[in-house]
Amino acid sequence: DAKTTQPPSMDCAEGRAANLPCNHSTISGNEYVYWYRQIHSQGPQYIIHGLKNNETNEMASLIITEDRKSSTLILPHATLRDTAVYYCIVRLPHGSGNTGKLIFGQGTTLQVKP
Amino acid sequence: SAVISQKPSRDICQRGTSLTIQCQVDSQVTMMFWYRQQPGQSLTLIATANQGSEATYESGFVIDKFPISRPNLTFSTLTVSNMSPEDSSIYLCSVLSPMNTEAFFGQGTRLTVV
Repeated sequence: DAKTTQPPSMDCAEGRAANLPCNHSTISGNEYVYWYRQIHSQGPQYIIHGLKNNETNEMASLIITEDRKSSTLILPHATLRDTAVYYCIVRLPHGSGNTGKLIFGQGTTLQVKP
Repeated sequence: SAVISQKPSRDICQRGTSLTIQCQVDSQVTMMFWYRQQPGQSLTLIATANQGSEATYESGFVIDKFPISRPNLTFSTLTVSNMSPEDSSIYLCSVLSPMNTEAFFGQGTRLTVV
């Protein structure tokens, strides 16, 4: 079973920040938080990941709470092309007998509106 | 990032027949993963394929139904055997990045069983 909880859907106005929440209250100390998105009819696309610290890249920012039980993915200026299903996943790193596999939950369908 | 090619991109098959899906990667990778995405659903991991060893199947998936080959570090096949309409799904291949920090996905094979 997926170890994360996300709202099933969210709307965001184009040009505004999209804040997608994720609960992972049972996360273990060495599990990372990953975010992927799936645009209709395409394979999932990696966005960002983090362990404890907040992370930022060219696509998004990831804010992880101090207790690591929840996180928020921030798309700073959402565009229509950001309309997709966003998946929050906790993952053990590859190695030490771990395959690094991803287990997907149901995700959040983000609809960016003009 | 890895470039993953899946063939065929889509197919319509008769029930009772089998289809073999190919996954070709442009670089050598250790772990390859096969996922299924049923209509309107999230991704479900079928199995993990490590080169030189038997694939490891997730709960609910068996080798007789989904045999997997992994002949080298850049190629894998998934066969969907004795198909029924319930097997109509998108099947996706995934690999880990060289640093094993993220996963890349192919565009998927859209299978319709009639």
